[in-house]
Amino acid sequence: DAGVTQSPTHLIKTRGQQVTLRCSPKSGHDTVSWYQQALGQGPQFIFQYYEEEERQRGNFPDRFSGHQFPNYSSELNVNALLLGDSALYLCASIRGGSSYEQYFGPGTRLTVT
Amino acid sequence: QQQVKQSPQSLIVQKGGISIINCAYENTAFDYFPWYQQFPGKGPALLIAIRPDVSEKKEGRFTISFNKSAKQFSLHIMDSQPGDSATYFCAASKEEYGNKLVFGAGTILRVKS
Repeated sequence: DAGVTQSPTHLIKTRGQQVTLRCSPKSGHDTVSWYQQALGQGPQFIFQYYEEEERQRGNFPDRFSGHQFPNYSSELNVNALLLGDSALYLCASIRGGSSYEQYFGPGTRLTVT
Repeated sequence: QQQVKQSPQSLIVQKGGISIINCAYENTAFDYFPWYQQFPGKGPALLIAIRPDVSEKKEGRFTISFNKSAKQFSLHIMDSQPGDSATYFCAASKEEYGNKLVFGAGTILRVKS
């Protein structure tokens, strides 16, 4: 049973550029949440996708957007990158729209220079 | 009211000892309290979780104690081992909020052999 997968593992971008991160949930899971984890801090909720729609959103600007595909995989897009966007971006996989247990992928380390 | 406060920031325990990490929350609407373990370069792994209708939950060497009236919960690691050295995060969520996790700031645990 494959766990949550994320790609790429690492990414280096320049300020002002745009980035797309990808996530595939665990088999049988249909809900994906995205979190940002700055160095030395706990993860911060960005948004959640269920049935291909954004269901919840945290306190992040509109530069952060996402998408969920019919196969439940998801993308996180960040436009106009800032130095402060450098972080580990985590995807969490959930079975069903209201299940409590969330399983995290290994993350994508984004560095903005 | 969305904060979860975690202490201590770091903890050093002798092999075989008991590690105790504490968390406090404000929002009484939270109804799910998980603990995650994170190793460097990895995503958080779900360790153990509790619902507020239970005061204690034990899984192997890991125990959650929950005090609803004090709005506090704690993780106890019995017989701590060097392999337990990691960062531990408490979190809280509520189904009404789409189960988005609100994380504490984390505790860096080092178990000395």
